[in-house]
Amino acid sequence: EPEVTQTPSHQVTQMGQEVILRCVPISNHLYFYWYRQILGQKVEFLVSFYNNEISEKSEIFDDQFSVERPDGSNFTLKIRSTKLEDSAMYFCASSGTSGGAGELFFGEGSRLTVL
Amino acid sequence: GENVEQHPSTLSVQEGDSAVIKCTYSDSASNYFPWYKQELGKGPQLIIDIRSNVGEKKDQRIAVTLNKTAKHFSLHITETQPEDSAVYFCAASQSGNTPLVFGKGTRLSVIA
Repeated sequence: EPEVTQTPSHQVTQMGQEVILRCVPISNHLYFYWYRQILGQKVEFLVSFYNNEISEKSEIFDDQFSVERPDGSNFTLKIRSTKLEDSAMYFCASSGTSGGAGELFFGEGSRLTVL
Repeated sequence: GENVEQHPSTLSVQEGDSAVIKCTYSDSASNYFPWYKQELGKGPQLIIDIRSNVGEKKDQRIAVTLNKTAKHFSLHITETQPEDSAVYFCAASQSGNTPLVFGKGTRLSVIA
């Protein structure tokens, strides 16, 4: 069964460092997403990406964050100058249709710990 | 924007009993309501969804009901089994290009 894969599964970084989280969406999907989940809290939308550009982003997704699809398979989330409050589980998801109308397939997440 | 509230935050049931999780949403334009199950160390997985043109949908032991007037929807799991133990999230969105807005999750424990 096709799946979304994410790396790394866990990353520990020092405050102020840059982090790149990587995702390989399901190969024939067209819509890509990043969500995050702070421990014990709800899953929060960060950004959606379609046709090589951001289609929507939340207020969380400020200038500290960026996304990229550098090749035909990877989808990355870059967090510049990490802060303590960036510690969370980051989930990548993909969909064959717009995420509001069809199933989102989630990866297993990348746990980011900022010290 | 959309706001989704989910209750209860934790739920313990005896194996074989039913479990009900309830969610409310704020945006009357929302018309797509999926439920996701998240097992320990894994990402959320879709278990059932419902669109606003129907009031109920069932898939084996799992059913979802939707009340558009009251803006609430519920997940019903019958004959619960230990493997149903997980965190369950409801979500809502408008069909099209709007992102899913999730509830806070319900940790379900099924006691054998």
